Amino acid sequence: DTEVTQTPKHLVMGMTNKKSLKCEQHMGHRAMYWYKQKAKKPPELMFVYSYEKLSINESVPSRFSPECPNSSLLNLHLHALQPEDSALYLCASSHRGGLAGDTGELFFGEGSRLTVL
Amino acid sequence: KNQVEQSPQSLIILEGKNCTLQCNYTVSPFSNLRWYKQDTGRGPVSLTIMTFSENTKSNGRYTATLDADTKQSSLHITASQLSDSASYICVVSSPLDMRFGAGTRLTVKP
Repeated sequence: DTEVTQTPKHLVMGMTNKKSLKCEQHMGHRAMYWYKQKAKKPPELMFVYSYEKLSINESVPSRFSPECPNSSLLNLHLHALQPEDSALYLCASSHRGGLAGDTGELFFGEGSRLTVL
Repeated sequence: KNQVEQSPQSLIILEGKNCTLQCNYTVSPFSNLRWYKQDTGRGPVSLTIMTFSENTKSNGRYTATLDADTKQSSLHITASQLSDSASYICVVSSPLDMRFGAGTRLTVKP
């Protein structure tokens, strides 16, 4: 079982809705990540939080708004999404913060399946 | 440009058979290479992580190899099981970047 917990597992929302995806880890990891994955494609990095500070934002549209309330929690706030934003959203964490390549093992959550109508 | 290419894109084998998946990369400088298994609709699960000095690493029926000179890695699956059906993703990291391959979709049939 993964030690990174994501909720909800499935979310259906309209383009005018505001919703949030949540991620939690209790492994003492100092970096947390949001990835977006379309069907049959590899995960694409969206955001990285390192020591609770946003360290990487991969030119993600402002309708996606990340938040890291503390070192164990990571949220992704969603507003005015488009149907093409429908995807599997994966949260991950790693022991070390810092830059993408020197973080140690990445632990992924099960993902939140988002459908935008 | 840092890239990771995996082959084949998809593979179908019979239960009990062995198979080998390939990963070629141009990521430089090299920090580590990871293999992940991802079941459909689920998050990736780590199989192995290899650094520059490691040539071979095993995890049960999974054995990964790394040739840092030719920038190639392989994942060998022995005595395949139906539960091995999944996508296998190669991820290569440099100190400043992390690149995902497109994955190999493996189907094990009875």
